[in-house]
Amino acid sequence: EAQVTQNPRYLITVTGKKLTVTCSQNMNHEYMSWYRQDPGLGLRQIYYSMNVEVTDKGDVPEGYKVSRKEKRNFPLILESPSPNQTSLYFCASSLYINPTINNNSPLHFGNGTRLTVT
Amino acid sequence: DQQVKQNSPSLSVQEGRISILNCDYTNSMFDYFLWYKKYPAEGPTFLISISSIKDKNEDGRFTVFLNKSAKHLSLHIVPSQPGDSAVYFCAARDWGNDYKLSFGAGTTVTVRA
Repeated sequence: EAQVTQNPRYLITVTGKKLTVTCSQNMNHEYMSWYRQDPGLGLRQIYYSMNVEVTDKGDVPEGYKVSRKEKRNFPLILESPSPNQTSLYFCASSLYINPTINNNSPLHFGNGTRLTVT
Repeated sequence: DQQVKQNSPSLSVQEGRISILNCDYTNSMFDYFLWYKKYPAEGPTFLISISSIKDKNEDGRFTVFLNKSAKHLSLHIVPSQPGDSAVYFCAARDWGNDYKLSFGAGTTVTVRA
């Protein structure tokens, strides 16, 4: 089954304790991205990657790191989590580098990771 | 500052009636618009899109209308069904920045039986 898999689904941690949220896709997609969803703010892009070893900042990259060492994986790293990073996180992927170039390559989202930082 | 705004956080509609979801945007460089649907505990899924060169796109029960002069788009669901109860996100692409989508805050639709 074609899918984007995020782990863990739920995570509670304390301020300053490094964590990694994994994301993997099995569709051979070139483009991958991380979003956070907060009430009243919708989905905001954190980082994106156009291909292996190519990453760039989105709209809210502060406090996050990513890597793209292989095509299928795009982990999100919080080196020193803070309470303002409590949020619902989504990983997404798309076949083409331009994720919206045609109707057949919309973003495919994972099921989300609910992160709480105390 | 949010460039894509969904000013109605929620909408309740009776089964069989029309649901109309609205979305306004401020960036005149947006050239492609999408609607995503999200159920609880799942990620958003693509629903329908429209290019700025069109003013209407239809897919089954779902129709999106675009009014460029007003910087406004709407999603019509006719007839509404209980399975349509979900959060709907409006998204827009900046033609000068192909890799990023700007999303609205979402509208929660509840279809009453």
